[in-house]
Amino acid sequence: AQSVTQLDSHVSVSEGTPVLLRCNYSSSYSPSLFWYVQHPNKGLQLLLKYTSAATLVKGINGFEAEFKKSETSFHLTKPSAHMSDAAEYFCVVSDNTGFQKLVFGTGTRLLVSP
Amino acid sequence: DAGVTQSPTHLIKTRGQQVTLRCSPKSGHDTVSWYQQALGQGPQFIFQYYEEEERQRGNFPDRFSGHQFPNYSSELNVNALLLGDSALYLCASSIRLSTNEQFFGPGTRLTVL
Repeated sequence: AQSVTQLDSHVSVSEGTPVLLRCNYSSSYSPSLFWYVQHPNKGLQLLLKYTSAATLVKGINGFEAEFKKSETSFHLTKPSAHMSDAAEYFCVVSDNTGFQKLVFGTGTRLLVSP
Repeated sequence: DAGVTQSPTHLIKTRGQQVTLRCSPKSGHDTVSWYQQALGQGPQFIFQYYEEEERQRGNFPDRFSGHQFPNYSSELNVNALLLGDSALYLCASSIRLSTNEQFFGPGTRLTVL
């Protein structure tokens, strides 16, 4: 069975400071890992994905994540937060069997203050 | 290129009623998955359709059923609605055997009174 644990339910940062959202995963297979963002009353948007290629993955809007197999982690970072980054972020794991079932974490709400 | 579309946007039903939600996948996509997102929670996988058949199912009761049409669009049906079925229902489309990237629609907000 696969699962992800998002270690923080809320993260607060000031505009212009770095962002770190933490995620640990568990998977019996070689996983695919994703970060999705959800703005209020909006659908889910894919930020980035890891599918066994480069371990450092760059996504949209300046976000990136590093896959660390030894630590079973896939933390999301951004060097400088912007007010528009305030949203709910989900770490997601999927196996590579072709069925593409996504297993979501419980989410981390990012708050950005001026 | 239109993305994933869902209808209706909002829906209010009473306990015991039945509801049908609709989803049109992104152009070129052949697989549709449905997710339930309760307030304050992450989405949970309901089931996935490919070639008009249910291929995989999450931990949801038989009250939840679906259908996929030859044009790849899909419906989610929920019978005997319970208060706990109130949630945002998300449809996601993808290409079978791709890199697992799924594109999500804006969702249907279902309220059960």
